[in-house]
Amino acid sequence: QKEVEQNSGPLSVPEGAIASLNCTYSDRGSQSFFWYRQYSGKSPELIMSIYSNGDKEDGRFTAQLNKASQYVSLLIRDSQPSDSATYLCAVKKAAGNKLTFGGGTRVLVKP
Amino acid sequence: DVKVTQSSRYLVKRTGEKVFLECVQDMDHENMFWYRQDPGLGLRLIYFSYDVKMKEKGDIPEGYSVSREKKERFSLILESASTNQTSMYLCASSSGTIQREQYFGPGTRLTVT
Repeated sequence: QKEVEQNSGPLSVPEGAIASLNCTYSDRGSQSFFWYRQYSGKSPELIMSIYSNGDKEDGRFTAQLNKASQYVSLLIRDSQPSDSATYLCAVKKAAGNKLTFGGGTRVLVKP
Repeated sequence: DVKVTQSSRYLVKRTGEKVFLECVQDMDHENMFWYRQDPGLGLRLIYFSYDVKMKEKGDIPEGYSVSREKKERFSLILESASTNQTSMYLCASSSGTIQREQYFGPGTRLTVT
């Protein structure tokens, strides 16, 4: 079992719809959770961070964390073609300075 | 804004050459990281450093070494480049706070021929 798992996609979403991305992790003691967006040929860009159970909203993005079920999700509302990218989930374990990254979910927003 | 810069966007080297990739961050971050990213394999950690002159191996350190002589600068060295080291190399940095969010540089696309 991978430490951080994501569905590789592609997740195809019509323009204006909600894109829902999921990520599960294996280390129950994980503390911090991040979502990165990566356009093709570019480096990952941090878009959301979440540290406690519940929802966190930032513009059209909402991150949801459920530590009991060990999953974190990202919702993208009113999806735009410019949201087409690969979204990486990253988790910081209880100990150490490293992040563990999932393989990423590719999102395609169709006009 | 956090800024992480890398010395080259594109680099072409020959097999057997010694290659230096440099990374500089301007946010006084304690931690710096080198990853490589390949299609289907995701981000893989090569080395990281949590302080000047300190380094730790990541998941795939073979064939690489690193140097951190100053807090803002972290160098990745390919001692003798091989074709299987053709990849996108990404540098990242993070602060010493508990959250540890990482900020990435633009990446260096290295081709070894």
